[in-house]
Amino acid sequence: GEDVEQSLFLSVREGDSSVINCTYTDSSSTYLYWYKQEPGAGLQLLTYIFSNMDMKQDQRLTVLLNKKDKHLSLRIADTQTGDSAIYFCAESSNTGFQKLVFGTGTRLLVSP
Amino acid sequence: KAGVTQTPRYLIKTRGQQVTLSCSPISGHRSVSWYQQTPGQGLQFLFEYFSETQRNKGNFPGRFSGRQFSNSRSEMNVSTLELGDSALYLCASSLAAGMSGNTIYFGEGSWLTVV
Repeated sequence: GEDVEQSLFLSVREGDSSVINCTYTDSSSTYLYWYKQEPGAGLQLLTYIFSNMDMKQDQRLTVLLNKKDKHLSLRIADTQTGDSAIYFCAESSNTGFQKLVFGTGTRLLVSP
Repeated sequence: KAGVTQTPRYLIKTRGQQVTLSCSPISGHRSVSWYQQTPGQGLQFLFEYFSETQRNKGNFPGRFSGRQFSNSRSEMNVSTLELGDSALYLCASSLAAGMSGNTIYFGEGSWLTVV
């Protein structure tokens, strides 16, 4: 079945890079997403990557996909205190593009 | 361009009552999906609608239902509320372009508390 796993917590200092990791099990995954959730808010789409890509860069964000190992990572360069939030990895498959399976979320804490 | 709009944002209901939540997708988006977020179960897919038809359904009891209107707006209904239905209900919309691109945007959610 589909399963997505993430580590629960990451703590970094302001200005450092953050790397949030995610593993998934569905080999038919087509799109993989990263969302950010701040307290009391909905999900903000940060970026997504199609499964035929290895890497995608968008300003401070870099997504790496290792399809062989079913491993996805999100790197945030020059992490700021405003980046403190919960980050969710999610996958969709070609059997249901709009049906996302989410990881448990990684709480990122950025200290000054 | 307006984002995904959900109403109401907060509501409190009593066990046994029913509730209806509303979602207006981004203009031009035809797919609307719903998710439940709880501390214990995380984010779980409820169902997805496209062109007024339910295309996909998650593993939830029949008390959870939804519909989509011709203008793509969607509602979800939960009948005979239980304490465990207390959650943040999130609506998402997308163009549903399939393999051509699939950005999925979420609303701010509706916080439901069942007492």
